[in-house]
Amino acid sequence: GAVVSQHPSRVICKSGTSVKIECRSLDFQATTMFWYRQFPKKSLMLMATSNEGSKATYEQGVEKDKFLINHASLTLSTLTVTSAHPEDSSFYICSAARDTNSYEQYFGPGTRLTVT
Amino acid sequence: KQEVTQIPAALSVPEGENLVLNCSFTDSAIYNLQWFRQDPGKGLTSLLLIQSSQREQTSGRLNASLDKSSGRSTLYIAASQPGDSATYLCAGTDSWGKLQFGAGTQVVVTP
Repeated sequence: GAVVSQHPSRVICKSGTSVKIECRSLDFQATTMFWYRQFPKKSLMLMATSNEGSKATYEQGVEKDKFLINHASLTLSTLTVTSAHPEDSSFYICSAARDTNSYEQYFGPGTRLTVT
Repeated sequence: KQEVTQIPAALSVPEGENLVLNCSFTDSAIYNLQWFRQDPGKGLTSLLLIQSSQREQTSGRLNASLDKSSGRSTLYIAASQPGDSATYLCAGTDSWGKLQFGAGTQVVVTP
């Protein structure tokens, strides 16, 4: 159990366009979902935390108008990169937590975004 | 703010040797500590989770220890195999449920 999927796995888009990435918990209800960004050969950087039905909480330095997060249900969160630029190219990974007692997070397979 | 450091950054060993990966953290008030494996271009696979009240966890050839007083965790991988080649990440969870990751240790096990 505890499977998290992401779609798409890879996306290439042109500068100025918007891209939506979906994160789904397939076999459990996620109380909280997290979005991370990973640069090449670097560790994961937390971008934002989202709870179903409420606004996401963004980490310092992350532009909330740039990275729109919608947590529409207990199994789905979406990240939309608006007006994408080449510097937004990165590996985006989501995770989902189902248990507020253990805080264990289950990670999706990631989405490789390339902005040309 | 919690800072997590992993040493060494890279490690290469011949098959069969034991691996020792180190993780240190600055804030001892962590809720739990997790070890993950990441293959190139892939997401994270959870290996072990140690609750703050625990001192170690074991799964097969993997054993992870946690010493909150010294701010350290160690991941041991016994009898390494080429399939163990990957990047290993440790992360501490704070009381808000947020994970703070180390930069990882890139492991190469040569046949």
